Parts: sequence; structure tokens; C-alpha cells
Amino acid sequence: DSGVTQTPKHLITATGQRVTLRCSPRSGDLSVYWYQQSLDQGLQFLIQYYNGEERAKGNILERFSAQQFPDLHSELNLSSLELGDSALYFCASSVAPEGQGISYEQYFGPGTRLTVT
Amino acid sequence: AQSVAQPEDQVNVAEGNPLTVKCTYSVSGNPYLFWYVQYPNRGLQFLLKYITGDNLVKGSYGFEAEFNKSQTSFHLKKPSALVSDSALYFCAVRGATYSGAGSYQLTFGKGTKLSVIP
Repeated sequence: DSGVTQTPKHLITATGQRVTLRCSPRSGDLSVYWYQQSLDQGLQFLIQYYNGEERAKGNILERFSAQQFPDLHSELNLSSLELGDSALYFCASSVAPEGQGISYEQYFGPGTRLTVT
Repeated sequence: AQSVAQPEDQVNVAEGNPLTVKCTYSVSGNPYLFWYVQYPNRGLQFLLKYITGDNLVKGSYGFEAEFNKSQTSFHLKKPSALVSDSALYFCAVRGATYSGAGSYQLTFGKGTKLSVIP
């Protein structure tokens, strides 16, 4: 158990809908990352927050957004869902963000499996 | 832009035999390199990383990896495979120094499925 929790475990929804995925980082971790894992694209970095502020953006669609709250939990909002958004969404946390000369282990949650029908 | 290639989608090895999972990378400047493992229906677990120093890095569960700068490779190895090592293995890279947006974000390979046959 990594100490990172994600809810829900599974989510089935229809095209055009909006969903919210939730992540609670490990105790003491200030940095949260969101990743999307699909069969064709592999594991893709979406977005990172550090202590409530957006730190870095990756391949995140404009239909997707995220935030990190004062208690450090994070939510990933996916809207106008398309069939191609079906994937595993992982949250990871680390004590601090990666930087020059510094690297911190990322701890991954169990993921949320999103199925868009 | 940084990238990782894991040339084998699947590796099969007999239990007790040595295993190697291959990874090559491309990054601006010096690399930071990582291996993660994913068991079915679980998140990724950190195995080991190379930041600097000795080219042979030892990690969890008896795994090790060898950094080869000239071949831009970071192959994962284990002297004697266990059935319980069967999983999906991911190599990841980031740059050691800033070279533009996204430099410090991990870029993952597509993964290699390791099957250890009893």
C-alpha cells in the first residue's frame, strides 16, 4: 500500500458527461501528479500540483482540469467525455517537486478506471 | 524532448534464470533514470533510480540496473527470476538540468510485460 488513495475505483459514464476523480496524497507529501494510462498511448503525464498551485502541465486536454485543495487532496475533472478518454487515471504524490539536482520518489495510487460508453 | 524506448513488449524467462528488461532513452544533458513495476490492478511501484555515481544501481526485490551513457541505456536486471516477478515494468527518464518546459517531468516508456515461467 503506497499510502495514496484514489476514488472511485471504477467509473462508467456516457459520452458528453462530466466526472470528478479524487486523490489523497501520502501524509506529508505536498506534490501531486496526475497520469493517464491507455493501451495505445501508454502512461502520459497530465498535470502536477505543489502545495495548492499548478506546477507543470503535460498532455492534458482543455476539457480536463484539476486542482489541489488546502488539505492537499486533488481532484481531476474530465468534461465532455469522449470514448477515447476511457483509460486508467493514476494519481501520484511526492514530498516535493522534482528539480535541478533533486529527485523524489513518486508514490502511485491504485488508479481509477474510467469507461466511457 | 525526452523519450524512452522499451524495445520489447514482452519478455519471457524461466524461473531461476537471469532476466533483463531493456530501456534506452533520449534526453537533453545528463539523465535521471527510473524503473517502476506495475502488478495487475495496482498502481506503479518504485524499484530503483539512477541520479549520479556508480553505474550499477541496486533496488528493491533484488533488482538492479546498469546505466550506460555511451549506449544511452538503463537495462533492468535480476540474477534469478521468480514467478512473483511477473508484472509490467516501466522505465522513465527526466533531465538532470532545466532545458525547457517539462524538463523535470518523468517520461515513461510503454512498458514491458515480464512473464516468469515456472
